[in-house]
Amino acid sequence: GENVEQHPSTLSVQEGDSAVIKCTYSDSASNYFPWYKQELGKRPQLIIDIRSNVGEKKDQRIAVTLNKTAKHFSLHITETQPEDSAVYFCAASKGYDYKLSFGAGTTVTVRA
Amino acid sequence: DTAVSQTPKYLVTQMGNDKSIKCEQNLGHDTMYWYKQDSKKFLKIMFSYNNKELIINETVPNRFSPKSPDKAHLNLHINSLELGDSAVYFCASSQAGGLAGDIEQYFGPGTRLTVT
Repeated sequence: GENVEQHPSTLSVQEGDSAVIKCTYSDSASNYFPWYKQELGKRPQLIIDIRSNVGEKKDQRIAVTLNKTAKHFSLHITETQPEDSAVYFCAASKGYDYKLSFGAGTTVTVRA
Repeated sequence: DTAVSQTPKYLVTQMGNDKSIKCEQNLGHDTMYWYKQDSKKFLKIMFSYNNKELIINETVPNRFSPKSPDKAHLNLHINSLELGDSAVYFCASSQAGGLAGDIEQYFGPGTRLTVT
């Protein structure tokens, strides 16, 4: 099955700095890569996703890049703010098997 | 309106008991899921139903039994609860899987199960 590895497990950044989280996946058939944000005590919520026919996608302060050859994808958060503090999960899916395989999560702390 | 709802939000029970968690979605989605999130925050898929048909059944003890009375509801029944079952259980739904690949998942608020 699909194996998704996520690094780092924790990340502390100064407010206004950038944060980068990296994920690798094992199954070259995976074609959908979402990122979820989970605030303390809340549900995971989709913040951005990318499909295998696209190399980069941006939405305001967040961006995701995908390198299919190397089988890795990354989340970039610029101009971090305290409300960006949360656990971020990457995931990968082949689509046809209905399954999302999640990374282990990255706890991001933005210091004021 | 809450898109994906779960009840109860908190559940504290003793070892050996049987309990159920209910999930409902009003998004008109075809597919529903149960996840377990342990104390280390890892999200693990347990089950998935598509139009009331079981399509994902991960390696889960058979004390866990999902039931989907219709495509808007997916319940989870747990028999003979053990200490290791303590976790947060999330229900989720998506429009479709399959070749469309459109499987953005919407999560419920979670049920925190504590087994003592």
